[in-house]
Amino acid sequence: DVKVTQSSRYLVKRTGEKVFLECVQDMDHENMFWYRQDPGLGLRLIYFSYDVKMKEKGDIPEGYSVSREKKERFSLILESASTNQTSMYLCASSLRFGSGRARNTGELFFGEGSRLTVL
Amino acid sequence: TQLLEQSPQFLSIQEGENLTVYCNSSSVFSSLQWYRQEPGEGPVLLVTVVTGGEVKKLKRLTFQFGDARKDSSLHITAAQPGDTGLYLCAGRTSGTYKYIFGTGTRLKVLA
Repeated sequence: DVKVTQSSRYLVKRTGEKVFLECVQDMDHENMFWYRQDPGLGLRLIYFSYDVKMKEKGDIPEGYSVSREKKERFSLILESASTNQTSMYLCASSLRFGSGRARNTGELFFGEGSRLTVL
Repeated sequence: TQLLEQSPQFLSIQEGENLTVYCNSSSVFSSLQWYRQEPGEGPVLLVTVVTGGEVKKLKRLTFQFGDARKDSSLHITAAQPGDTGLYLCAGRTSGTYKYIFGTGTRLKVLA
């Protein structure tokens, strides 16, 4: 069964702490994404990676950084957590767009989410 | 900034009723997807539509992509409590990696 695994379901951190959110996928996908989900705002893209060591800023990258040292792992880093970063964080992966691999519908596969509270 | 507006935002109906959720934008999309998210889980893909005017059916769910590829609708016939969840549309424009997600429609079907 294909899977995207996020390391922590729930985290509580204090303002100013450094926070690491880890995401691992076992589908050999090229693309990986980090979104945050807030009520009434839908999902907003923070960062995207289309290959190892490659990253692109999304719509709301400020206050975040990412790391992709291995194809299966994509990490989101909050260098100095702030209360406005309290949110649900969702990691997703997909095949490379336009890939000839069978059944490439552009589907995003999501993890279960990491709910972060910053006090 | 591209926007995908979903309506209604909330919907509470009785089992057996029909409903339609709308997803509208001023942007043209090369593909549009619908996801359902249940509490404590990530969104799961229901369907992808790519051709203007396309209609796809998934059991009691009917998805339509607008002729101009700017809007989409999801119609559920004879809703059941198992349909309860957050429905999200997501559009992708040609040549980009970015999916623009709608604001979501939270559906509750009462037994």
